[in-house]
Amino acid sequence: NAGVTQTPKFQVLKTGQSMTLQCAQDMNHEYMSWYRQDPGMGLRLIHYSVGAGITDQGEVPNGYNVSRSTTEDFPLRLLSAAPSQTSVYFCASSYSPLVQETQYFGPGTRLLVL
Amino acid sequence: EDKVVQSPLSLVVHEGDTVTLNCSYEVTNFRSLLWYKQEKKAPTFLFMLTSSGIEKKSGRLSSILDKKELSSILNITATQTGDSAIYLCAVVRDNDMRFGAGTRLTVKP
Repeated sequence: NAGVTQTPKFQVLKTGQSMTLQCAQDMNHEYMSWYRQDPGMGLRLIHYSVGAGITDQGEVPNGYNVSRSTTEDFPLRLLSAAPSQTSVYFCASSYSPLVQETQYFGPGTRLLVL
Repeated sequence: EDKVVQSPLSLVVHEGDTVTLNCSYEVTNFRSLLWYKQEKKAPTFLFMLTSSGIEKKSGRLSSILDKKELSSILNITATQTGDSAIYLCAVVRDNDMRFGAGTRLTVKP
């Protein structure tokens, strides 16, 4: 098993550009989520999904879109990048939202918006 | 508004010291509290706590939840330089998790 994979590892964008951060897991996990981590602020939930076709907003959803067409993939889209979206992004998955000890994190994507 | 607060935000100790990290929370629909260790990359799971007063232990690390006080502590005894990391507390609600800002622990030789 590859676990949770994220691509790219690092990306530089210009303000206004769009891009998609990829996340995939091969553990047949129903629950997937996206977090951003900024210095001194811990991890903040952007969006999450409890299964294919179902997504919901987290704590800081503005400026981001997600979709979940398959169990394996959960891409995060930045529609029009802003410098405030400079951050490290983590994708995570688990069997269920209530079984978080089985939550696996991806290695992260470092995004810089100029 | 739901919140998870960790203290201290930063801590510097010497090898062999014992440290106590704190996490307090105010959330609706509390399910469990988790502790993670984060070194250079993704957080790694340490403990999950659901019942008040029951200590979870793993080697030199231990943690306990106090549901009455809405708080948890993480203890690390006989600290080593390899314990240097950010320690994150997270509270599981119905469908999501809320993280605290973390405590950055630095252990000096």
